[in-house]
Amino acid sequence: GIQVEQSPPDLILQEGANSTLRCNFSDSVNNLQWFHQNPWGQLINLFYIPSGTKQNGRLSATTVATERYSLLYISSSQTTDSGVYFCAVKSGGTSYGKLTFGQGTILTVHP
Amino acid sequence: NAGVTQTPKFQVLKTGQSMTLQCAQDMNHNSMYWYRQDPGMGLRLIYYSASEGTTDKGEVPNGYNVSRLNKREFSLRLESAAPSQTSVYFCASRNTPGETQYFGPGTRLLVL
Repeated sequence: GIQVEQSPPDLILQEGANSTLRCNFSDSVNNLQWFHQNPWGQLINLFYIPSGTKQNGRLSATTVATERYSLLYISSSQTTDSGVYFCAVKSGGTSYGKLTFGQGTILTVHP
Repeated sequence: NAGVTQTPKFQVLKTGQSMTLQCAQDMNHNSMYWYRQDPGMGLRLIYYSASEGTTDKGEVPNGYNVSRLNKREFSLRLESAAPSQTSVYFCASRNTPGETQYFGPGTRLLVL
């Protein structure tokens, strides 16, 4: 099956810093989502981005499908950005709607 | 809209006991999913239902059964709980032909 690798595994920032999270995948995809899991365990949809670039406030994401990677940018980080960021993908050959998740990037933002 | 709701929020079982995790969505979505999340890992698909009346196995189906009761509800049953099933369980739904999956708040299950 498709493999998803996220980097870095852990990231510690001071409030106000910028960061880039990376997601590499091993096969072509027709669905890619970024999620934020907050400290209470809730999974929050950030982006549906199988290709191209999207922005939502301080967050933006870019997926280069031909090179099989996606990037999540967080600018001017805040303590509320802390949590785990997951990339999840679906390739055309997988079961209906099945998402394969990466291991996540644990982000800690200190005040 | 409440989105995707799950009950219970937390449950403790003894080995061998059975229980059913409930999931409901009010977004009129066709597809529903059950995932489990183990410490330090991403989510893995247990079962899914592409539409009302159909269910299929995911990546880790052993020890579980599911029922798509109607379009709104999708339940996950553990017939004989084992400590290896200690996990956080997430239900999700998706509207077709859209691709975005929306997740419930999760159920934390501890099997002793």
